[in-house]
Amino acid sequence: DTEVTQTPKHLVMGMTNKKSLKCEQHMGHRAMYWYKQKAKKPPELMFVYSYEKLSINESVPSRFSPECPNSSLLNLHLHALQPEDSALYLCASSHEGNEQFFGPGTRLTVL
Amino acid sequence: GDSVTQMEGPVTLSEEAFLTINCTYTATGYPSLFWYVQYPGEGLQLLLKATKADDKGSNKGFEATYRKETTSFHLEKGSVQVSDSAVYFCALRKEDYGQNFVFGPGTRLSVLP
Repeated sequence: DTEVTQTPKHLVMGMTNKKSLKCEQHMGHRAMYWYKQKAKKPPELMFVYSYEKLSINESVPSRFSPECPNSSLLNLHLHALQPEDSALYLCASSHEGNEQFFGPGTRLTVL
Repeated sequence: GDSVTQMEGPVTLSEEAFLTINCTYTATGYPSLFWYVQYPGEGLQLLLKATKADDKGSNKGFEATYRKETTSFHLEKGSVQVSDSAVYFCALRKEDYGQNFVFGPGTRLSVLP
């Protein structure tokens, strides 16, 4: 299995909603990442988990809350988002700092 | 800090034309270099990589050579197809900076039939 899967594919939420994005990989990778990508821009790193511990938080607002329940799963909990948070959210994983494998992303729209 | 610069495009070519997308980087040490491709509505896919100077990465007819003397990793393909239309990102990972990648701004390629 060489895939990173993400659910849901699309998500529309209001500013008062709470929702979660999910990411899963079964390649045995011990590093997992969340990126945010706006239209016509490169991905921006949000969080890095290494061996299920948060190792990097790129000054992301607290309305985004990551969680790594085990070595295969990565969640991103969303609460009280703003319209400017609408974007494609990408999950990735890697082994020992080698190339990152990306999921297809979740297209998030905040109304 | 580390950075990646690439021609932003858009680049528009006719089918079977030769493609070059320039990529240069700024980094200390010996980073690994990557090209990723993003098709419309999808995530990023690794296209090719090179981990040391003079390495050539290749895949699906695309090639790039790690040139330390010019700090470059230009992407080339001899004959593009309509299906190559996508956004191409050059990226680096520092050897001593854990797992973080630095991405270039991306180059949008459109190939016309």
